Amino acid sequence: GENVEQHPSTLSVQEGDSAVIKCTYSDSASNYFPWYKQELGKRPQLIIDIRSNVGEKKDQRIAVTLNKTAKHFSLHITETQPEDSAVYFCAAREGGGNKLTFGTGTQLKVEL
Amino acid sequence: KAGVTQTPRYLIKTRGQQVTLSCSPISGHRSVSWYQQTPGQGLQFLFEYFSETQRNKGNFPGRFSGRQFSNSRSEMNVSTLELGDSALYLCASSGFGASNEKLFFGSGTQLSVL
Repeated sequence: GENVEQHPSTLSVQEGDSAVIKCTYSDSASNYFPWYKQELGKRPQLIIDIRSNVGEKKDQRIAVTLNKTAKHFSLHITETQPEDSAVYFCAAREGGGNKLTFGTGTQLKVEL
Repeated sequence: KAGVTQTPRYLIKTRGQQVTLSCSPISGHRSVSWYQQTPGQGLQFLFEYFSETQRNKGNFPGRFSGRQFSNSRSEMNVSTLELGDSALYLCASSGFGASNEKLFFGSGTQLSVL
């Protein structure tokens, strides 16, 4: 089955700096890669996603890049703000259906 | 549009008991997935239902089961509870068309097994 590795496990940045979180996956058949943000005590929220036929996608301050050959994808957050502080999870979907395999999460802390 | 609704929000049970959790998906969504979230294991897939049929299953013992009703509402059941079953159980739904792969999560049911 699919295996997703996520790094780093914790990330501390200054407000206004950029943050990058990286994930690798094992199953070349995986075709969909979402990113979720989870604040303490709240539900995971989908913030951006990318399909395997696209190399990059951007939504305001957030972007995701995908390298199918190397089987890795990354989340980029620019101009970080304190409200970006949360745990971020990457995931990969293998084949049909909606079974997601999640990474172990990155605790992002944006300091003033 | 109302989001994914899970009930109850909190549950306390003792070892050996069984529990049933409920999930109402976003209106129009036919796929419902269940995940277990723990500090040690992260988010792990339990199973997915689509049109009342189990479409995918994760690597959990048979004590974990689920079902989906004709109105797409879903329940999951855990029998013979163990201490290690203490976790946040999250339900997610997804819809049709190009966006049918987007999973939207509920707030979860926090289960504590004593």
